[in-house]
Amino acid sequence: AQKITQTQPGMFVQEKEAVTLDCTYDTSDPSYGLFWYKQPSSGEMIFLIYQGSYDQQNATEGRYSLNFQKARKSANLVISASQLGDSAMYFCAMRGSNDYKLSFGAGTTVTVRA
Amino acid sequence: EAGVAQSPRYKIIEKRQSVAFWCNPISGHATLYWYQQILGQGPKLLIQFQNNGVVDDSQLPKDRFSAERLKGVDSTLKIQPAKLEDSAVYLCASSLDRTFYNEQFFGPGTRLTVL
Repeated sequence: AQKITQTQPGMFVQEKEAVTLDCTYDTSDPSYGLFWYKQPSSGEMIFLIYQGSYDQQNATEGRYSLNFQKARKSANLVISASQLGDSAMYFCAMRGSNDYKLSFGAGTTVTVRA
Repeated sequence: EAGVAQSPRYKIIEKRQSVAFWCNPISGHATLYWYQQILGQGPKLLIQFQNNGVVDDSQLPKDRFSAERLKGVDSTLKIQPAKLEDSAVYLCASSLDRTFYNEQFFGPGTRLTVL
């Protein structure tokens, strides 16, 4: 079974600054995928970025980058140049090759201040 | 490309009543998921379909919850009878297939309030 831990319940960040959201995981699957989703107050889950366990490079998607440290079992999300529209709940999730279930962490609320 | 559609968006019922939610996945997506998201928590998988067959329903409270995907396209999730603790957002998602690296696309969700 997979376990995802997000230890930061809430964070404040100044507009245009970068913010790092922590995520650690635990799994026994040999291959797995790590996902980050954004959930604004409207409720829809928006896919942001994906990192495969065997990917050699850290994933990047526009202002989102993933700091993947496999030995430490961490997959932190970095949002650069924060915008007011980035205010939302962010979830780290994981899916293993032997367990098709997508397991989510508890989430981190990000509030961007002008 | 149209996204995952869900209806209704909001539903308020009294305990012991029944309720049904509908989901239409992205065209061509073989795998469909229903999640329950209680306020302040991450989504929890209730049931997963591959085409019209159930892959995983281990976390579905089968005494009161049921789901079907008869033609391998749209799906319904039913709760009968509802309890207060069923108040949550019910999210439907779909993906191309079950491969672990395929992202899941989520619908807007149905917010259920049980009084």
